[in-house]
Amino acid sequence: ELKVEQNPLFLSMQEGKNYTIYCNYSTTSDRLYWYRQDPGKSLESLFVLLSNGAVKQEGRLMASLDTKARLSTLHITAAVHDLSATYFCAVDLEGSNYKLTFGKGTLLTVNP
Amino acid sequence: DTAVSQTPKYLVTQMGNDKSIKCEQNLGHDTMYWYKQDSKKFLKIMFSYNNKELIINETVPNRFSPKSPDKAHLNLHINSLELGDSAVYFCASSQLAGKGADTQYFGPGTRLTVL
Repeated sequence: ELKVEQNPLFLSMQEGKNYTIYCNYSTTSDRLYWYRQDPGKSLESLFVLLSNGAVKQEGRLMASLDTKARLSTLHITAAVHDLSATYFCAVDLEGSNYKLTFGKGTLLTVNP
Repeated sequence: DTAVSQTPKYLVTQMGNDKSIKCEQNLGHDTMYWYKQDSKKFLKIMFSYNNKELIINETVPNRFSPKSPDKAHLNLHINSLELGDSAVYFCASSQLAGKGADTQYFGPGTRLTVL
């Protein structure tokens, strides 16, 4: 059974600082997704990573995928308050009919 | 203009009742999903339909029954509601290209509270 683990689960950081959220998964896959969820809202797609070594950047967020280590990272550069949200990674396995298995989410709070 | 919409947004009901949640997508996607997000924000897939055919059917109580009248609509009917069914239910859709992978687009969610 595929397991997806994120850490940390809670992250409080100051504006302007850098930090990384880690996503480990238990079964080989080269399809990993990052989503953002604001309180009481839906999930918004951030990144889709589809190959080993894939790196994608959008604003202050950069995601990467190492399929050999079964690890994805979401790096936050010079955090701002607007980035406060819960971030989920999710993995699907080939042949699973695109069944996403989610991590527990990382609640990020950026303090002024 | 809403891509994936759900109704109702909030649903408060008594234990033992039967209720339905509706989902519609106007993205032209072939595949739709139902997810449950519990009070700890853990997200778990329940069902998926590809062009009206059930392709993912996770281990959920058979009180939950999905129905897809066409590929743009996916409804979720829940019989004999229990306290543990209280959660946020999200509908999502994606374009299954047959190979590769595709983003799933989520609806706004339906917050179900069972009293």
